Amino acid sequence: GQQVMQIPQYQHVQEGEDFTTYCNSSTTLSNIQWYKQRPGGHPVFLIQLVKSGEVKKQKRLTFQFGEAKKNSSLHITATQTTDVGTYFCAGNTGGFKTIFGAGTRLFVKA
Amino acid sequence: DVKVTQSSRYLVKRTGEKVFLECVQDMDHENMFWYRQDPGLGLRLIYFSYDVKMKEKGDIPEGYSVSREKKERFSLILESASTNQTSMYLCASRVMKGGFRGQAFFGQGTRLTVV
Repeated sequence: GQQVMQIPQYQHVQEGEDFTTYCNSSTTLSNIQWYKQRPGGHPVFLIQLVKSGEVKKQKRLTFQFGEAKKNSSLHITATQTTDVGTYFCAGNTGGFKTIFGAGTRLFVKA
Repeated sequence: DVKVTQSSRYLVKRTGEKVFLECVQDMDHENMFWYRQDPGLGLRLIYFSYDVKMKEKGDIPEGYSVSREKKERFSLILESASTNQTSMYLCASRVMKGGFRGQAFFGQGTRLTVV
């Protein structure tokens, strides 16, 4: 079945360093979404990418959708302690199912 | 604001019990989902419903069933709870109109422990 792989599983950074998480799908996606889950919380929507090669920015966060619409990345510039949490990508293929990656847990040391 | 409410935050049940997890959304969303979240495995889809009385199996439906009699409510049922069903359960809903699929809104989660 459809799979969405996400790496790395964990990332420890010093505050101020950059961070990137990568998402790869076994099938072509109609769109991809990114969510953030703070410790003890529930996933909260960040953004949706739809077009091939699309790049979107939210302040220090940059999201990219690959040309083949099978991979995506989230890059955080100059991490802050408020960035801690788990970042999930979630892929849709055009059906009803949304498949989540396993998530990347970000730890930021002050 | 969209609100997705799960009936319990924490639940402790005995092996073999029938367990009901309830989820209610207040935004008239067509699609609703049940996921379980386990460390290192992310969110795995148990069941989803694309409309009232409609349901489809996700990736790990064994040992679970669902019910959606009303649009706003989606229930997850553990027919006979087992210890390997100890997990965090997350309900989500989203709008779906034509080809547009909106963002998923999640409930606060139910941490179920089966002893």
